[in-house]
Amino acid sequence: AQRVTQPEKLLSVFKGAPVELKCNYSYSGSPELFWYVQYSRQRLQLLLRHISRESIKGFTADLNKGETSFHLKKPFAQEEDSAMYYCALSGLSAAGNKLTFGGGTRVLVKP
Amino acid sequence: KAGVTQTPRYLIKTRGQQVTLSCSPISGHRSVSWYQQTPGQGLQFLFEYFSETQRNKGNFPGRFSGRQFSNSRSEMNVSTLELGDSALYLCASSPGDVYNEQFFGPGTRLTVL
Repeated sequence: AQRVTQPEKLLSVFKGAPVELKCNYSYSGSPELFWYVQYSRQRLQLLLRHISRESIKGFTADLNKGETSFHLKKPFAQEEDSAMYYCALSGLSAAGNKLTFGGGTRVLVKP
Repeated sequence: KAGVTQTPRYLIKTRGQQVTLSCSPISGHRSVSWYQQTPGQGLQFLFEYFSETQRNKGNFPGRFSGRQFSNSRSEMNVSTLELGDSALYLCASSPGDVYNEQFFGPGTRLTVL
């Protein structure tokens, strides 16, 4: 079974402060991990994915297979980063596109 | 390219009725997935269709069904609606290769009274 856990429902930080969103997963095979983001009144959209190893909007995420984690980090939060963030997992051994989402973390960046 | 579109955007039904939701994927995308989003359960995978065939299925009762047409447009149907089916139903499309980025639509807000 696949499971994704995001322990924080809400993260409130000041502009310019670092922000880290935690994501832990459970999967018996080899996972592909994603971070999706939903800004106010916008659609859910991909922020970044492990396999591409890109830094998007200053965000990075490292897959730690030993700790089964895929935490999202940004060194200096901006007000426009306020949004709902979802960690998601897709099994590399599975056919098709099936995403298992975590419960989401709401990030509020205060001025 | 135009994004994923879903119709209708809002729907109100009563218990026992059935409902059909529609999703038009991005042009050229062959995979369409459906998700249910509720405050209590979050985002849950319903099913995925690829080339008119169901390729993946989540853990939902048989009242939830779907289909995909030859132009990749997809519909999902919920029969014998229950109050707990009230949710935002999201459709996502992707080119079809496994583990591709999924592009989400705006969702259909279903309220069951």
